[in-house]
Amino acid sequence: KQEVTQIPAALSVPEGENLVLNCSFTDSAIYNLQWFRQDPGKGLTSLLLIQSSQREQTSGRLNASLDKSSGRSTLYIAASQPGDSATYLCAVSGSSNTGKLIFGQGTTLQVKP
Amino acid sequence: KAGVTQTPRYLIKTRGQQVTLSCSPISGHRSVSWYQQTPGQGLQFLFEYFSETQRNKGNFPGRFSGRQFSNSRSEMNVSTLELGDSALYLCASRNGQGRQETQYFGPGTRLLVL
Repeated sequence: KQEVTQIPAALSVPEGENLVLNCSFTDSAIYNLQWFRQDPGKGLTSLLLIQSSQREQTSGRLNASLDKSSGRSTLYIAASQPGDSATYLCAVSGSSNTGKLIFGQGTTLQVKP
Repeated sequence: KAGVTQTPRYLIKTRGQQVTLSCSPISGHRSVSWYQQTPGQGLQFLFEYFSETQRNKGNFPGRFSGRQFSNSRSEMNVSTLELGDSALYLCASRNGQGRQETQYFGPGTRLLVL
């Protein structure tokens, strides 16, 4: 049974810092991995999707890496801003053409001005 | 394009009642998935519908059911509500035919069971 773990559960950093969020999964047979952002009381916004054959994806100040063999992914946020404060969730898909995602518990990030 | 919409946004029910939640996907998307989010269990997959057929199902009791209409809109029904059903219910849509598709989530319906 696939399990996804995110560390740390919460993180507080001053504005401008570079930071790394971690995600690990127990079954390396994933199809893709996605990072989402969730603001309080809101739905999820997709940040990055990494296919199982890829090593990393970049979007603006965000960079996500994937190491399938070790069951790990990291989300790197450069030059953090207060607007980055949110909960970040990673999720894995186990097979093609399925809407089923298995989520980690998330990392709640606070960026202080 | 309009995003995923969910109605109602907030709902208060009492134990034993039933509830129906609605989700309208992004135009052109044929797949709708439903998730339950609670502080204790996090986000858990309920089921996925594609072209009016249930394609995947999570590990939830039979009190949780869903359906999808020909216009891809989906409804989720929970019968005989329990206190533990209090949660944020999220739906997500995608085209459903691609091989590496991101999912687009709605704002959710917050259900409180008293």
